[in-house]
Amino acid sequence: EVQLVQSGGGLVQPGGSLTLSCAASGFAFSDSNMNWLRQTPGRGLEWISYISYDSGTIFYADSVKGRFAISRNNGKKSLSLQMNDLRDDDSAVYYCVRDKALGPETYWFFDLWGRGTLVTVSS
Amino acid sequence: EIVLTQSPGTLSLSPGERATLSCRASQPVNSNWFAWYQHKRGQAPRLLIHGVSTRATGIPDRFSGSGSGTDFTLTISRLEPEDFAVYFCQQYGSSPLAFGGGTKVEL
Repeated sequence: EVQLVQSGGGLVQPGGSLTLSCAASGFAFSDSNMNWLRQTPGRGLEWISYISYDSGTIFYADSVKGRFAISRNNGKKSLSLQMNDLRDDDSAVYYCVRDKALGPETYWFFDLWGRGTLVTVSS
Repeated sequence: EIVLTQSPGTLSLSPGERATLSCRASQPVNSNWFAWYQHKRGQAPRLLIHGVSTRATGIPDRFSGSGSGTDFTLTISRLEPEDFAVYFCQQYGSSPLAFGGGTKVEL
């Protein structure tokens, strides 16, 4: 089955760290460009990070730059998001998401999503 | 930065009826790089439409997208029971990516 299965998330104190994981199955993960997005009731959906199929290109939104790190392991078909120095406004549902394009192209719209994982930053 | 505003916030309809969802951009969307998604509670969001009007793989033809510039529409010609969900739009023609706040289609 073609799917992205997310894990990680939970409750963390401000200033703390958390790692989100995403396991891919049923498709050529090593050819796929991947992203993390997050959603809150107040700010809606927000793109936060991108990693190309070969890890050669990485982008971050300004809101998380310097605090979050995206990575992937093509052999294990997995995507990760290391989140450090977490703030209250990082509380959100985080989605692992695949770009529609394969390989060197990027379309910036998304044809496969995980179900999301909730991150709550609170003391 | 483009802001996408969806209307109405909630659409109350019955199976078999036509649903018309609107998404308005604060600035013209480049090259009509525009998409629609469906999100059911507890499930992963699903791509419906990209490039304004191109249905994604496996999407039934009762879903159609139209529009240009700043005004875009998703139409569901005849609602099926499985179509009751939240729908959100996205522009990907310029940075930063932008998403609409969603329209809930309810019974």
